[in-house]
Amino acid sequence: QVQLQESGPGLVKPSQTLSLTCSVSGGSVSSDGYYWSWIRQHPGRGLEWIGYIYYNGITYYNAPLKSRLSISVDTSKNQFSLTLRSVTAADTAMYYCARLINWDYYFDPWGQGTLVTVSS
Amino acid sequence: DIQMTQSPSSLSASVGDRVTITCRASQSIRNYLNWYQQKPGNAPKLLIYGASTLQSGVPSRFTGSGSGTDFTLTISSLQPEDFATYYYCQQSFSTLPITFGQGTRLELK
Repeated sequence: QVQLQESGPGLVKPSQTLSLTCSVSGGSVSSDGYYWSWIRQHPGRGLEWIGYIYYNGITYYNAPLKSRLSISVDTSKNQFSLTLRSVTAADTAMYYCARLINWDYYFDPWGQGTLVTVSS
Repeated sequence: DIQMTQSPSSLSASVGDRVTITCRASQSIRNYLNWYQQKPGNAPKLLIYGASTLQSGVPSRFTGSGSGTDFTLTISSLQPEDFATYYYCQQSFSTLPITFGQGTRLELK
């Protein structure tokens, strides 16, 4: 079964760049019919969709983050990545990667999540 | 953006009770509605997709229904593991952006 695992620094300084990677096992990021997604959850809050990417590199971003956001995919490593520039304390959150199923657009499965704190 | 509103925000119940959580969309989303369960310290887990299709491995006490703007998640005969948990709805009719409800916390009475 497909499993996802996030990795990256847990602490980022304000104005710096947040970079996370999601490694996929038990399946391929090149599989047709799936998008590869990032979602975040601010402490004690609900879920916010960040964006997703198809294996061919086509991306879809949530508008409020679009100017600071890049999502990329590396099919040779079977992983995809998130880059968020010019971070502030408001970007402190648990970041999840997840597979988004095409047509029905539901997220399954999810990675366990990684907490990113923006602080000096 | 399509706004998703869940009610109630929190809910107290007892083991064996039947509870219903409601999710309302700001416009029609047909049946493009998904439900997730999130336990403390864990990632969300898919329960139901397409408004009423139970994800493989999810107990049959979870039932989803609705179409258009109004949807429900019903848990019949609550089990101990269903408590101290958040439930979220997510619309997939408009994927730019994908939006979630604010969540409903289920607590043990």
